[in-house]
Amino acid sequence: AQSVTQLDSQVPVFEEAPVELRCNYSSSVSVYLFWYVQYPNQGLQLLLKYLSGSTLVESINGFEAEFNKSQTSFHLRKPSVHISDTAEYFCAVSFKAAGNKLTFGGGTRVLVKP
Amino acid sequence: DVKVTQSSRYLVKRTGEKVFLECVQDMDHENMFWYRQDPGLGLRLIYFSYDVKMKEKGDIPEGYSVSREKKERFSLILESASTNQTSMYLCASSLSGGAGVDEQYFGPGTRLTVT
Repeated sequence: AQSVTQLDSQVPVFEEAPVELRCNYSSSVSVYLFWYVQYPNQGLQLLLKYLSGSTLVESINGFEAEFNKSQTSFHLRKPSVHISDTAEYFCAVSFKAAGNKLTFGGGTRVLVKP
Repeated sequence: DVKVTQSSRYLVKRTGEKVFLECVQDMDHENMFWYRQDPGLGLRLIYFSYDVKMKEKGDIPEGYSVSREKKERFSLILESASTNQTSMYLCASSLSGGAGVDEQYFGPGTRLTVT
């Protein structure tokens, strides 16, 4: 079965420090890749996605993720975090053979400390 | 803005009760999804629907059923609630078919407690 692994369940980080959230998936077949964010007491919202083209994708609030096909990874990074980045982050993969279904990782809770 | 609404934010039910969770989207999306969210497990797909009256099982359909009589509404039914169904339930919708390229829009969730 296809699976998505987020290696860190919690990441504490100081404000203005960099952060990296790791995501690996199980299959090397064609995929679409997503990062969703869930702020406290809210639903999930899309942060960024990779469908094709450049392997580096960026969000409007300074996050970026790089698709690495050989390592089946899609790690999320931000060079300098803000208090407002405190949230839970979910990596999700659409395996093309599975149609519209998304497979989610277990989530990484980011706590930004002042 | 796409809006996905869920009928309740919090719900407490007793074991054995029949439970209905309602989800409505206002953007004429074809696809709708029900997930449950549990700590450390992320989101797991229960059922999804790509058209009115159509449904497909997700990864954990046991103990659940769904209904989609109108395009904008997707209901999740727990036929006989059990304590292991205590969870956060999230509804989502996405625009149309294709191979999973479309963003999914999520509702705020319903936290269900079964006692």
